[in-house]
Amino acid sequence: GQQVMQIPQYQHVQEGEDFTTYCNSSTTLSNIQWYKQRPGGHPVFLIQLVKSGEVKKQKRLTFQFGEAKKNSSLHITATQTTDVGTYFCAPGTASKLTFGTGTRLQVTL
Amino acid sequence: SQTIHQWPATLVQPVGSPLSLECTVEGTSNPNLYWYRQAAGRGLQLLFYSVGIGQISSEVPQNLSASRPQDRQFILSSKKLLLSDSGFYLCAWSSGDTQYFGPGTRLTVL
Repeated sequence: GQQVMQIPQYQHVQEGEDFTTYCNSSTTLSNIQWYKQRPGGHPVFLIQLVKSGEVKKQKRLTFQFGEAKKNSSLHITATQTTDVGTYFCAPGTASKLTFGTGTRLQVTL
Repeated sequence: SQTIHQWPATLVQPVGSPLSLECTVEGTSNPNLYWYRQAAGRGLQLLFYSVGIGQISSEVPQNLSASRPQDRQFILSSKKLLLSDSGFYLCAWSSGDTQYFGPGTRLTVL
């Protein structure tokens, strides 16, 4: 499967601060998905990116796919306590995903 | 709409005991099915996936096995549990690229 590195592994922010997690691959990816897992919960699909340079927004979340399709990022503007959890990127082919190591986000008031 | 069920939610088992975790999906036909394991504070490790009845692909050699006796049923088994089998076991289904996860089973082997 395709291997990806996610950074940082952990980030602690104050509510209202921005947050970004990065997903990097040494090979070109056909597509990439992002999932969020709340503490004690299961991963939930957020979005899929397919096109080179693609940018998608979901409210305060902005997802980008690099021009070379080797990296992706998730940016959260003005974090809230509801953003707490672990964010995983997952490149995949033929319905078989390889999940990144994840970035755990902690948000405090 | 589609739903995915897993049971039990939590399980405590002694070392050397057998294991059977069940996953069922409703509202879809011929889904791809997956078993993942997640150690505490870690990422998701794909254990098995299935593209159809009786078709199982193993990703990581270990003392676990999987079976798919029916289209929407996926079972994870072990004959003898090890301490290292402790973790959060997640079943997922897909009919395209997106995977949808069940609530998971938290297994503690003592």
